[in-house]
Amino acid sequence: GEDVEQSLFLSVREGDSSVINCTYTDSSSTYLYWYKQEPGAGLQLLTYIFSNMDMKQDQRLTVLLNKKDKHLSLRIADTQTGDSAIYFCAESAGNMLTFGGGTRLMVKP
Amino acid sequence: SQTIHQWPATLVQPVGSPLSLECTVEGTSNPNLYWYRQAAGRGLQLLFYSVGIGQISSEVPQNLSASRPQDRQFILSSKKLLLSDSGFYLCAWSISRTEAFFGQGTRLTVV
Repeated sequence: GEDVEQSLFLSVREGDSSVINCTYTDSSSTYLYWYKQEPGAGLQLLTYIFSNMDMKQDQRLTVLLNKKDKHLSLRIADTQTGDSAIYFCAESAGNMLTFGGGTRLMVKP
Repeated sequence: SQTIHQWPATLVQPVGSPLSLECTVEGTSNPNLYWYRQAAGRGLQLLFYSVGIGQISSEVPQNLSASRPQDRQFILSSKKLLLSDSGFYLCAWSISRTEAFFGQGTRLTVV
């Protein structure tokens, strides 16, 4: 079955770059996503990448995909305190989204 | 534009009591609908999904059930809540594979 894994926690200083990593197992994944969850709220889609792309950049966000190693990363440049949240990686297989366990990003001033 | 409504936002229920959480979607037709649970400190667990009225698939055996009486309505229920049912429940919808849209969630505490 599908499996998506992330590290649980990341702490960075304000202004530094954050890199959140994710590995997945389903080689048939067509889209891979990054969602952000702020405290007590639902999930919001940050960005997604199609599986035939290696990189996607959107303002401070850079997504890197290594399809051979089934590794996805999210880089946040110039991390701000407002970026503190849980970040979920997800893959699509058919109609389903399979989520990782989430990485809690803490940004220290 | 499409919107998703999920209620209530918070709920405290005694063990053994029934549960009904409702989710409705506006602005789209025939969406795929999902119920996820997020236990404290853990990731998202897919509980149920539905591709159409009356079509429910369960991902994990549990004390909960789901129903889809209308195209844009998805209900999560339980006849008798357990302490282990406590968590943050999220409803979501999608049309294509590009993304899913989430409700604001219901925090359920079973006491």
